[in-house]
Amino acid sequence: SQQGEEDPQALSIQEGENATMNCSYKTSINNLQWYRQNSGRGLVHLILIRSNEREKHSGRLRVTLDTSKKSSSLLITASRAADTASYFCATDEGGSYIPTFGRGTSLIVHP
Amino acid sequence: GAGVSQSPSNKVTEKGKDVELRCDPISGHTALYWYRQSLGQGLEFLIYFQGNSAPDKSGLPSDRFSAERTGGSVSTLTIQRTQQEDSAVYLCASSPSTEAFFGQGTRLTVV
Repeated sequence: SQQGEEDPQALSIQEGENATMNCSYKTSINNLQWYRQNSGRGLVHLILIRSNEREKHSGRLRVTLDTSKKSSSLLITASRAADTASYFCATDEGGSYIPTFGRGTSLIVHP
Repeated sequence: GAGVSQSPSNKVTEKGKDVELRCDPISGHTALYWYRQSLGQGLEFLIYFQGNSAPDKSGLPSDRFSAERTGGSVSTLTIQRTQQEDSAVYLCASSPSTEAFFGQGTRLTVV
């Protein structure tokens, strides 16, 4: 079963614009992670936010978590063509040690 | 080589044949996961190993799929009597705690 569901499924923007992706989940979590995947191969961990945190920053990335709405957002500021990739959220469903991934958001940044 | 290594990177096999996919995790990582990803889809959990504990096999889609992890390190995913619907990218990840480190995957094509 897929716990996290990303929205939108696809996003196309111009270089320099901001990109916002959302993730919704169903059950309680201890933490939520965002990953990036280039060209349908290995995923790279971007950022982890714990259930008692509301916002985290890492470089041009900003992640928010709203546990009352069971949702998270990933904001990429000042996007670059190199940010073109698929972005996935992963949750620890009900405290499981197994990250459960959504279907991802495909981001295209046009130079 | 500090990353997770998977081999082969690509495998084409005939329907009905058995295949073995290998994963070399990062040294010292106690957790190891197998996922598969069909074209344009999210990650589907297959199996989870943690230390010397019995593996969580709840994601294996059929009894044609099996996996083992020898000595708490290298893992092999075996698919017997492959079917065309087994075609996918098989991703392995290891983790010291929460963050998962992924290999580049094995693209399996069953013809």
